[in-house]
Formats: sequence, C-alpha cells, structure tokens
Amino acid sequence: KQEVTQIPAALSVPEGENLVLNCSFTDSAIYNLQWFRQDPGKGLTSLLLIQSSQREQTSGRLNASLDKSSGRSTLYIAASQPGDSATYLCAVFSNTGNQFYFGTGTSLTVIP
Amino acid sequence: DAGVIQSPRHEVTEMGQEVTLRCKPISGHNSLFWYRQTMMRGLELLIYFNNNVPIDDSGMPEDRFSAKMPNASFSTLKIQPSEPRDSAVYFCASSWVAGGGEQYFGPGTRLTVT
Repeated sequence: KQEVTQIPAALSVPEGENLVLNCSFTDSAIYNLQWFRQDPGKGLTSLLLIQSSQREQTSGRLNASLDKSSGRSTLYIAASQPGDSATYLCAVFSNTGNQFYFGTGTSLTVIP
Repeated sequence: DAGVIQSPRHEVTEMGQEVTLRCKPISGHNSLFWYRQTMMRGLELLIYFNNNVPIDDSGMPEDRFSAKMPNASFSTLKIQPSEPRDSAVYFCASSWVAGGGEQYFGPGTRLTVT
C-alpha cells in the first residue's frame, strides 16, 4: 500500500522567508501528485498538479517539483506572507490500488 | 462555476439516527470522491465513482455506510445507524479523469453524532 509522509509536521517562519515543504511516497508507480492548501475549518484548495511525466510546476510564488524515482516532491514557497499560513497536504494517485493517498500535512505559520 | 457543492454544511444528530450527506460535483467532471477527515486519522478516502459507477469502496468503514451516485450531478453518502465515532468532516471531491485529473474539493460537512 502506498504511504505518503510529510515532514515537518509543523513549521514556523518569519515573513519574507523562502521555505520548502517535503513530501515522500513509498511506491513510485504514480499517475500524478497534487499539492493542496487547507485553511482551518475549510475544505482543500488545489495549488499545483504534477503529472508523472513532469518534473515541476509553477504558480506564482509556488513551485512544486517531482522526483518519481526517489519518491519525493517538494513545494517551494518564495517570499512567504502571513496569508500563506495554513496546512499543506500532498496527495499521490497510485497506479497500485488506483486511488489517491494523502499525507498528514505540514502546518505552516508565517509570523508577521 | 459554483464548484463542488455539499449539503448540509453542519449536521448534529443523535446516535442511532440515519444521516444523509449530499454532493453535487462540478459539471462535466466524471469522477467523484468521498473522504472523511479526523484529527486522529487525517484524510481518508471512503469511496470513489467513475462515470457514476463505484470503483473502489474499500475505504468504507463498515456496512453502516453506503454511497450512491444515481446520475452525473448528484451523490449521497448515508450512515445508518450513526455512532459517535462517525463524527468527522466529510468531504466530496470531483475531477475530470480519475487518476489523471486535478481534484476539486467541496467545503465539507461537519457531522457530530451525540
């Protein structure tokens, strides 16, 4: 069964810092990997989707990379802002089991 | 587009009662997913449909849970009878192509069973 791990579980940084969130998965047989943001008491908002054939995707201050062979993805946030404070989750769609598997998330706090 | 619509947003019920959660996916999407989120277990996939057909229901915790998708624009998740341990936030999500598409989540239904 696919296992998705996110480290660290929580992160606190001062405003303006660049930061990296990590996601690792045990089975490299994936169709895609998706990064989400979840604000307290809210649903999940899709940030970036990387297909298995891609290496990275960018949206504004966000850049996500994928190294399928090593089972890793990173989400890079440039020039962090207090509004970036949220929980960030990654999810992979696994060929094995044919379903999405979520990590437990990284809770990010950006201090003004 | 209105996005994925879920109702009700909050539900409080007593143990033993039947609970029905509703979801309207984004128009044109052909896959629909039901998730449950708790502090202890995180986000768990319960069941997903492709073209209105259930593909994988291995995440459904037990026979008290059932899900239907009678047409492309509507799905229900039913719990009968409900128990306190079912208290959680239930999310519905939809995508264009199962396995390849980007998932869009609804706002969730917060269920409390007393």
